[in-house]
Amino acid sequence: QPVVTQEPSLTVSPGGTVTLTCASSTGVVTSGHYPNWFQHKPGQAPTSLIYSTNNKHSWTPARFSGSLLGGKAALTLSGVQPEDEAEYYCLLYSGSVFIWVFGGGTKLTVL
Amino acid sequence: EVRLVESGGGLVQPGRSLRLSCVVSGFSIDDYAINWFRQAPGKGLEWVGFIRRKSNGGTTEYAASVKGRFTISTDDPKSIAYLQMNSLEIDDTAVYYCIRAPRTVGGIMFFDFWGQGILVTVSS
Repeated sequence: QPVVTQEPSLTVSPGGTVTLTCASSTGVVTSGHYPNWFQHKPGQAPTSLIYSTNNKHSWTPARFSGSLLGGKAALTLSGVQPEDEAEYYCLLYSGSVFIWVFGGGTKLTVL
Repeated sequence: EVRLVESGGGLVQPGRSLRLSCVVSGFSIDDYAINWFRQAPGKGLEWVGFIRRKSNGGTTEYAASVKGRFTISTDDPKSIAYLQMNSLEIDDTAVYYCIRAPRTVGGIMFFDFWGQGILVTVSS
């Protein structure tokens, strides 16, 4: 089973920009991994932010964007707000074995 | 309004079984795949498995950690998805979420609405 790796933690100032990445042990992450990104705040159910690399849901704030960057999937937050403090998870598809694999999550602190 | 509501969690002994239900409303369960994810205490999210919609065969896929022990099914007329968990282990202790999974125009599954989650504790 592939191992998906994210930064354990990142800190950003309000109004700043931060990029979270998502790497696969199998090699370069491509659009064929259909990266999804989720936000999880304590005490709440996770919410879906991005699907298929860079597609936003109707409720996803415009400051969130998804991309492929340097062989990884990436989630960029531009103009970070205090309410963006949360854990962020990426999810990649492994078509060869029909499974989805989560990254370990990135704890984003807004300070 | 799209809603997914899990139930059936609780405390269960190792080796026993438990069935979770996910009652959906605001959409037809026939038209979507349903996934189950979980999060163990202090750990990250884990994909458990999913069931395809009937028009895609209604077949299932599972994570290696639960394959052969867990079974996902749906009762479409009742708009309920189930997660049957057998031979439960301590490591199955987690909050379990059901998630609706539409498909893109290109036929690729993605994830949108989540249930609120239900706690399953496996302990003697």
